[in-house]
Amino acid sequence: GENVEQHPSTLSVQEGDSAVIKCTYSDSASNYFPWYKQELGKRPQLIIDIRSNVGEKKDQRIAVTLNKTAKHFSLHITETQPEDSAVYFCAASRGSGGGADGLTFGKGTHLIIQP
Amino acid sequence: DAGITQSPRHKVTETGTPVTLRCHQTENHRYMYWYRQDPGHGLRLIHYSYGVKDTDKGEVSDGYSVSRSKTEDFLLTLESATSSQTSVYFCAISAEGNEQYFGPGTRLTVT
Repeated sequence: GENVEQHPSTLSVQEGDSAVIKCTYSDSASNYFPWYKQELGKRPQLIIDIRSNVGEKKDQRIAVTLNKTAKHFSLHITETQPEDSAVYFCAASRGSGGGADGLTFGKGTHLIIQP
Repeated sequence: DAGITQSPRHKVTETGTPVTLRCHQTENHRYMYWYRQDPGHGLRLIHYSYGVKDTDKGEVSDGYSVSRSKTEDFLLTLESATSSQTSVYFCAISAEGNEQYFGPGTRLTVT
């Protein structure tokens, strides 16, 4: 089955700096890659996603890049703010969109924004 | 948040007792999923459904069963709860070709 590795497990950055979280996947058939943000005690919230026919996608201060050849994808957050502090999860799926067979998640990155 | 509710939100039960968790959606989405979240493991898929009465196993299905008799409800049953099933359980829904949205979660403690 699919295996998703996520690094780093903890990332501390100064407010205003950029943060990058990286994930690798093992199944070359995976074609959908979402990122979720989870605040303490809350549900995971989808923040951005990318499909395998696209190399990069941006939404304001966040962007995701995908390298299908190397089987890795990354989340980039620019101009970090205190409200960006949370745990971020990457995931992969074979199906289109949510996929019939569910998502395989990385183990998460705890992003800490230092004031 | 998408129209997803989970019940109960918190439950404490004893080892060996049966437990059923409910996920209810008002979005009429075809796909529904159950995940568990544990420290150090992220979220792992237990079972999923791709329509009424159509379900399949996920990565960590042992000890769990599911049922979906209506589009809006997806039930997760622990036939005989064990301490290793202490976890936070999230339900998720997805329309065909779209993203997954998560419910608020159920915190289950098995003593």
